[in-house]
Amino acid sequence: GAGVSQSPSNKVTEKGKDVELRCDPISGHTALYWYRQSLGQGLEFLIYFQGNSAPDKSGLPSDRFSAERTGGSVSTLTIQRTQQEDSAVYLCASSSQTGPNYGYTFGSGTRLTVV
Amino acid sequence: DAKTTQPNSMESNEEEPVHLPCNHSTISGTDYIHWYRQLPSQGPEYVIHGLTSNVNNRMASLAIAEDRKSSTLILHRATLRDAAVYYCILRDSNSGYALNFGKGTSLLVTP
Repeated sequence: GAGVSQSPSNKVTEKGKDVELRCDPISGHTALYWYRQSLGQGLEFLIYFQGNSAPDKSGLPSDRFSAERTGGSVSTLTIQRTQQEDSAVYLCASSSQTGPNYGYTFGSGTRLTVV
Repeated sequence: DAKTTQPNSMESNEEEPVHLPCNHSTISGTDYIHWYRQLPSQGPEYVIHGLTSNVNNRMASLAIAEDRKSSTLILHRATLRDAAVYYCILRDSNSGYALNFGKGTSLLVTP
């Protein structure tokens, strides 16, 4: 597609429920990244995919968080047993290459509210 | 990672040029200087990047000091739509994939 698409744009869920957030990267972009931005905070790196593999999961905050990518395209971030501190905007980005001479394209994010 | 320092906020009048500074005194020879911006309620947007030479694109210009210890993002004619948080980020092949956004500069554009 023309840009990085994320769905849903907004999600309200009850504490303890599981949620799935979807990211559709730019077609042909092999690298995909998930970030989180809590209210008034900076962007926090979560996980990086190269193709369908995740060489760097170092930013996932707990084992309640997992992500997968299939067909080298769509990625899903799953949060199990959501907690109120999981409330944030979850951002996905993609890039054609991972080197420092390339920029990332971000989606508009999914705003997750845990009540 | 080498650290960047930016002013917390800046203000500009509409249709005037804006110079957003970034200090990176510990920059290494292989660090690229990247700029992103984040408009309200949107994801970050890539603006420009460079290594040693000044760079121009349709959005902005990047002026890099000769010693590379500082750089300036130049918006040639600010519009109200340029009001955003601007982030200066250093990247090299060792910095991995995690862009360190820091706090950035919040740019206010007034009509």
